[in-house]
Amino acid sequence: EAQVTQNPRYLITVTGKKLTVTCSQNMNHEYMSWYRQDPGLGLRQIYYSMNVEVTDKGDVPEGYKVSRKEKRNFPLILESPSPNQTSLYFCASSFDLGDEQFFGPGTRLTVL
Amino acid sequence: AQSVTQLGSHVSVSEGALVLLRCNYSSSVPPYLFWYVQYPNQGLQLLLKYTSAATLVKGINGFEAEFKKSETSFHLTKPSAHMSDAAEYFCAVSDPSGGGADGLTFGKGTHLIIQP
Repeated sequence: EAQVTQNPRYLITVTGKKLTVTCSQNMNHEYMSWYRQDPGLGLRQIYYSMNVEVTDKGDVPEGYKVSRKEKRNFPLILESPSPNQTSLYFCASSFDLGDEQFFGPGTRLTVL
Repeated sequence: AQSVTQLGSHVSVSEGALVLLRCNYSSSVPPYLFWYVQYPNQGLQLLLKYTSAATLVKGINGFEAEFKKSETSFHLTKPSAHMSDAAEYFCAVSDPSGGGADGLTFGKGTHLIIQP
């Protein structure tokens, strides 16, 4: 089944404790992206990647890192999480930059 | 740069009534346009997309949208609302030429409430 998977689905952590949210797709997509969703703000892009070893900042990159060592994986790293990073996070992928994106199920992160 | 405006953060309709969710976009090039739906506690699912073919696009679950270039609009409609349509709906725009690095730009979403 074609899908985007994210882990974990739910995470509660404390300020400053490094964490990684994994994302994997099995559709051989070139383009992958991370979004955060907050009430009243819709989806905002954090980082995106157009291919292996090619990543770039989206609209709200501060406090986040990503890597794209393999085509299928695009982990999101929070080196020192803060409470303002409490949010719902989505990973997405597509064949091309402006094409339909396929979304993962989301990761709900709470930073205390 | 591209942008999307969804009019109304919340829309309430009665079961069986017409659903109309409004979306206006701004784009410097002919865009691709999308509507996504998010059911509670789930990810986003594509409802329909416009990619410069027919201006009236039919999607899943009885939804359709019409691309109107003169109005820069892509409103989503469904003739008869069902309780299961209650969800968050997002309009999105992209630049298919790939000239910019914007990918998809999303509106802020419209929460559709269905009254019994």
